[in-house]
Amino acid sequence: DVKVTQSSRYLVKRTGEKVFLECVQDMDHENMFWYRQDPGLGLRLIYFSYDVKMKEKGDIPEGYSVSREKKERFSLILESASTNQTSMYLCASRSRMTSNQPQHFGDGTRLSIL
Amino acid sequence: AQSVAQPEDQVNVAEGNPLTVKCTYSVSGNPYLFWYVQYPNRGLQFLLKYITGDNLVKGSYGFEAEFNKSQTSFHLKKPSALVSDSALYFCAVRDIRSGNTPLVFGKGTRLSVIA
Repeated sequence: DVKVTQSSRYLVKRTGEKVFLECVQDMDHENMFWYRQDPGLGLRLIYFSYDVKMKEKGDIPEGYSVSREKKERFSLILESASTNQTSMYLCASRSRMTSNQPQHFGDGTRLSIL
Repeated sequence: AQSVAQPEDQVNVAEGNPLTVKCTYSVSGNPYLFWYVQYPNRGLQFLLKYITGDNLVKGSYGFEAEFNKSQTSFHLKKPSALVSDSALYFCAVRDIRSGNTPLVFGKGTRLSVIA
């Protein structure tokens, strides 16, 4: 089974801090994704990566950046955390080989910015 | 542009009764369609997908979904609901011509199964 691991289940940070959310997958997947989930808004795509060193903006990239230095790891960075970035963050991965494959999700990081 | 609509924020059903969670989609070509389930404080778990072929797709935990091209729908169904089916359900789509792009998700439907 595909395993997508997010480094923290719960995280509390302060306004203005630089925050790193880490995601690792063990299936050699090329594609990786970061979403945030908020009540009533569903999942919104922040950034995604087709492969190592590659990144693409999603629907809501403002205030975020990403890093993909190794194939298995995709990091989401909040440059200067703000209270409106309090949310559930979900990482996902998918094989590029066949485009009809599902995305596989981690268990999420619930981030609170105080 | 691709989009998904889940018209019901909440669905309530009695245990043992059949359940339906609705999903309609919009793509310019043909769709790949997916259903996911999310339990509290967990990520999304893949339930089933439609790629091509038989319009009735069977998935995990006794769920199935029916693809209807004329109505652009992909409703999730289960013949007999369990209390443990209570969760948040997401429908997702990708146009098969869109290459390697991310899935587009609906806003989710909360299913509550009452004993």
